[in-house]
Amino acid sequence: KQEVTQIPAALSVPEGENLVLNCSFTDSAIYNLQWFRQDPGKGLTSLLLIQSSQREQTSGRLNASLDKSSGRSTLYIAASQPGDSATYLCAVISGSARQLTFGSGTQLTVLP
Amino acid sequence: DVKVTQSSRYLVKRTGEKVFLECVQDMDHENMFWYRQDPGLGLRLIYFSYDVKMKEKGDIPEGYSVSREKKERFSLILESASTNQTSMYLCASNLPTGTGGLETQYFGPGTRLLVL
Repeated sequence: KQEVTQIPAALSVPEGENLVLNCSFTDSAIYNLQWFRQDPGKGLTSLLLIQSSQREQTSGRLNASLDKSSGRSTLYIAASQPGDSATYLCAVISGSARQLTFGSGTQLTVLP
Repeated sequence: DVKVTQSSRYLVKRTGEKVFLECVQDMDHENMFWYRQDPGLGLRLIYFSYDVKMKEKGDIPEGYSVSREKKERFSLILESASTNQTSMYLCASNLPTGTGGLETQYFGPGTRLLVL
């Protein structure tokens, strides 16, 4: 059964810092990996989707990398801003049923 | 923009009541999903559907059922609500895997259900 782990569970950084969020998964036979953002009490917003054949995806200040063989992904946020404060969730699609399995998330606080 | 809507943002029900949670998407997506999100447990898949009238059990289907009579609508049913079903319920939809990078799951705003 696929398991997804995110480290750290919480992170607090001053504004302007570059930061990295980590995601690992146990079964490397994935179809794709997706990073989401969730604001308190709200639904999830998709940030980036990386296909299993890709190594990275970029969107603005965000860069996500994927190393499928080692079961790892990182989300890099450049020049962090207070508006980036949210919980970031990593999820993979795997298995014959093509299910999305989520990590528990990293709660990010960017201090002004 | 894709829009996934859920019928209620907040819901309070009594133990034993039958509860319907509705989800509608406007992008003609084949796949639809119901998750629940609990502190410390993350998001867990309850049921999903890859076509009208089709359904598949997720990781935690016990105590729930679903209905998909139309492509755009996916309903989650709690036949007899219990206090351990108090949670945040999230609906999502997407295109099937293999559609060239368009498989992004789009989520609704969530329904926070309290069962007393």
